[in-house]
Amino acid sequence: EADIYQTPRYLVIGTGKKITLECSQTMGHDKMYWYQQDPGMELHLIHYSYGVNSTEKGDLSSESTVSRIRTEHFPLTLESARPSHTSQYLCASSQRTMNTEAFFGQGTRLTVV
Amino acid sequence: AQKVTQAQTEISVVEKEDVTLDCVYETRDTTYYLFWYKQPPSGELVFLIRRNSFDEQNEISGRYSWNFQKSTSSFNFTITASQVVDSAVYFCALTPYGGGKLIFGQGTELSVKP
Repeated sequence: EADIYQTPRYLVIGTGKKITLECSQTMGHDKMYWYQQDPGMELHLIHYSYGVNSTEKGDLSSESTVSRIRTEHFPLTLESARPSHTSQYLCASSQRTMNTEAFFGQGTRLTVV
Repeated sequence: AQKVTQAQTEISVVEKEDVTLDCVYETRDTTYYLFWYKQPPSGELVFLIRRNSFDEQNEISGRYSWNFQKSTSSFNFTITASQVVDSAVYFCALTPYGGGKLIFGQGTELSVKP
């Protein structure tokens, strides 16, 4: 069973609010990722990190930002939420040394009203 | 360009039927990895299998089997004697060697009815 946790699971928030989605893993993985999943199910990489103090933007442009101050923690922040940010956000992690599988959290379903 | 295509958006079968989920990929890399993940209604993605580009052996795990064919750039997934618990969205994914980032297909929603 994967040890990667996301909080909150569900969040409904008003337009303009600042929010942080939390993601933590206890597996000591160097690589961590944020994916956005739209209602049509497609998953798009929005941020990734290959270690502490390393963050990169993914293939899908996103107004969110991330930080990686500790190996186990990879939070995602939206400074000013908008309805277009409504989506499911999935966090994942994997080992650095090989192309091993990624382990996913249960996701945060964000609704901006 | 790297791309994964799952042409079947939705599949509906009756319990005990066999079902095959198609996956076709595009990559210029000679070394790459392919994956299948299952997403049940609870939301998390569950890893099912990883296959590297040099290993074309088919694999069977219980009721699940995978057919990897480099000649057609396909990595299809078959569930034998499907069960209601198999109902989920299934994703095929690709990662280049050393890349780590997963490129997902659009997903296939499988519904198994009793």
